[in-house]
Amino acid sequence: EVHLVESGGGLVQPGGSLRLSCEASEFTFTNYWMNWVRQAPGKGLEWVGNIKQDGSTTHYGDSMKGRFTISRDNAKNSLYLQMNSLRVDDTALYYCARDAYSTGSLDLWGRGTLVTVSS
Amino acid sequence: QSALTQPASVSGSPGQSITISCTGTSSDVGSYNLVSWYQQHPGKAPKLMIYDVTNRPSGVSNRFSGSKSGNTASLTISGLQAEDEADYYCNSYTRTGPAYVFGTGTKVTVL
Repeated sequence: EVHLVESGGGLVQPGGSLRLSCEASEFTFTNYWMNWVRQAPGKGLEWVGNIKQDGSTTHYGDSMKGRFTISRDNAKNSLYLQMNSLRVDDTALYYCARDAYSTGSLDLWGRGTLVTVSS
Repeated sequence: QSALTQPASVSGSPGQSITISCTGTSSDVGSYNLVSWYQQHPGKAPKLMIYDVTNRPSGVSNRFSGSKSGNTASLTISGLQAEDEADYYCNSYTRTGPAYVFGTGTKVTVL
């Protein structure tokens, strides 16, 4: 069964760093743009950023630029999100998601990994 | 990248039709046919319901349909059912970035 599994979330202090991972299974990972989307507790969805199939191009949401870096290892079918200079308002459930048609059509989502930024 | 504007809540009785609007600008919804819609039940991951404004993924009920006019996209749910009660989010490509941006979200209540 096709699926995505995120990991790496946890409690981190403001100003700290964290690296999230997303492992893909049962589909050809290299065929898809991959995305990160987050959701603060009780709030709406926020697009974090995405990465092209070969890893050559990345885009980010405004509040993430300069602090977050998305990468992928196609040999390991894995997506990553490096988060630096974390702030309290980065606290959220972070989802990875597959873009089915390279048009922002996110057809496969993981269950998410929770990041809590607090002192 | 400002969030797209959706009504906070929409409600309807079983069997009725409801429409959720998603208002953007000429930098996003108005210029690109790259609008998608997601359904999210409490505690669950979002589910893709509509992509590229009007297309329905395999397995999604034909009671869900999408459209766009100018800077506003819409999701219509016809024959409303209890299981449709959920949060709904639109999403659009925006040339400001470039990037994608989600809507503010709409809670659908089945009366």
